[in-house]
Amino acid sequence: QKEVEQNSGPLSVPEGAIASLNCTYSDRVSQSFFWYRQYSGKSPELIMSIYSNGDKEDGRFTAQLNKASQYVSLLIRDSQPSDSATYLCAVRSSGGSYIPTFGRGTSLIVHP
Amino acid sequence: GAVVSQHPSRVICKSGTSVKIECRSLDFQATTMFWYRQFPKQSLMLMATSNEGSKATYEQGVEKDKFLINHASLTLSTLTVTSAHPEDSSFYICSARDRVSSYTEAFFGQGTRLTVV
Repeated sequence: QKEVEQNSGPLSVPEGAIASLNCTYSDRVSQSFFWYRQYSGKSPELIMSIYSNGDKEDGRFTAQLNKASQYVSLLIRDSQPSDSATYLCAVRSSGGSYIPTFGRGTSLIVHP
Repeated sequence: GAVVSQHPSRVICKSGTSVKIECRSLDFQATTMFWYRQFPKQSLMLMATSNEGSKATYEQGVEKDKFLINHASLTLSTLTVTSAHPEDSSFYICSARDRVSSYTEAFFGQGTRLTVV
């Protein structure tokens, strides 16, 4: 059973701070890792994808992957109230039908 | 990113009736489309995976006769909720994967909020 674990939160950070979201996964052969943002009542929106160990930066977002520890994280710098949403971690193994496994999501609240 | 269009965005139907939800990939060909259901404050639950031209693969516990999936072309998949009941009320979301690039993630449609009264 492939599992993706996230702390449901809510994670509350002040505006301008760094928000750190964490995700662990159970399937060691996982190859692809994704972070989605989901606003209440809306469908998920892809923010970042990462495939190799290390950091990947895109604007205010940085994804960090450590396959040895089976751990992927998302850092949001200079957090804004508009970043308040649920962040879903998704993990996918190579080959097969490319079905991703989603975590339950972490609720982030950025307060002014 | 790629655009996936899902309609309708919101539907209210009477118990016992059927509802069809469409999912279209607008600017790419989708080899595979996924259908998810999401209850309030819960994560996405994969219902089925559909590949163009073949029967959908349903996840355990999902009734294939109740949730009919058709993937007739590389740009369109439909989910029909038959004989809907109030417990089927949920947020249904499709996603589609680009057939060209095997490394891109699937993109999500806007979702359909189904309310069965």
